[in-house]
Amino acid sequence: DIQLTQSPSLLSASIGDRVTITCRASQGINNYLAWYQHKPGRAPRLLIYPATSLKSGVPSRFSGGGSGTEFSLTISSLQPDDFATYYCQQVYSHATITFGQGTRLEIK
Amino acid sequence: EVQLLESGGGLVQPGGSLRLSCAPSGFSLSYFAMAWVRQAPGKGLEWVSSISGSGDTQYYADSVQGRFTISRDDSLHLQMNDLRDEDSGIYYCAKYVESWWQPVFDLWGQGNLVTVSS
Repeated sequence: DIQLTQSPSLLSASIGDRVTITCRASQGINNYLAWYQHKPGRAPRLLIYPATSLKSGVPSRFSGGGSGTEFSLTISSLQPDDFATYYCQQVYSHATITFGQGTRLEIK
Repeated sequence: EVQLLESGGGLVQPGGSLRLSCAPSGFSLSYFAMAWVRQAPGKGLEWVSSISGSGDTQYYADSVQGRFTISRDDSLHLQMNDLRDEDSGIYYCAKYVESWWQPVFDLWGQGNLVTVSS
């Protein structure tokens, strides 16, 4: 199975900060990576797929980068609504779907 | 509004069974591949099972293989048997964006709590 490792697991930041979350795959997955935002009590929200393509309706302060085994999610200027947990998910293997362990973004 | 409406969760003893359902609102599930994803208390998202748009192909995580069965008609279902403590959590149904070969989820249910406890 393809393993995904996110870092950091916890990220403390302030409004207006630029933050980056990384996701490393255990094998090359081209650009078959998605990013989700998840808030408590809410359904996860698709932000980016494939690795660098922002989903329609997602604010442009979000961006995705990388390919192969190293990926990133960057928020250019944190807004209050952005504090949540973020997950990467590999889309390379359709038979065994895996998520990263999550990165909780909290207010400093 | 396009939604997925979940039902069927609750409290069950270890070894018991539950059946979750996920009904579409504002659209039809026809031809869309679907999946179940869960989140154990304090943990991250874990894929559980997927079913193709035609219903003829199913995949399962190793942790539920042989105990859970995914199925579909006009709704999506998950029959969960021989439940264990570690099956507790919030279960989400999720719709594939397009292709069965690219499991990206663009619509999720609101989540359904399953608690396995004696």
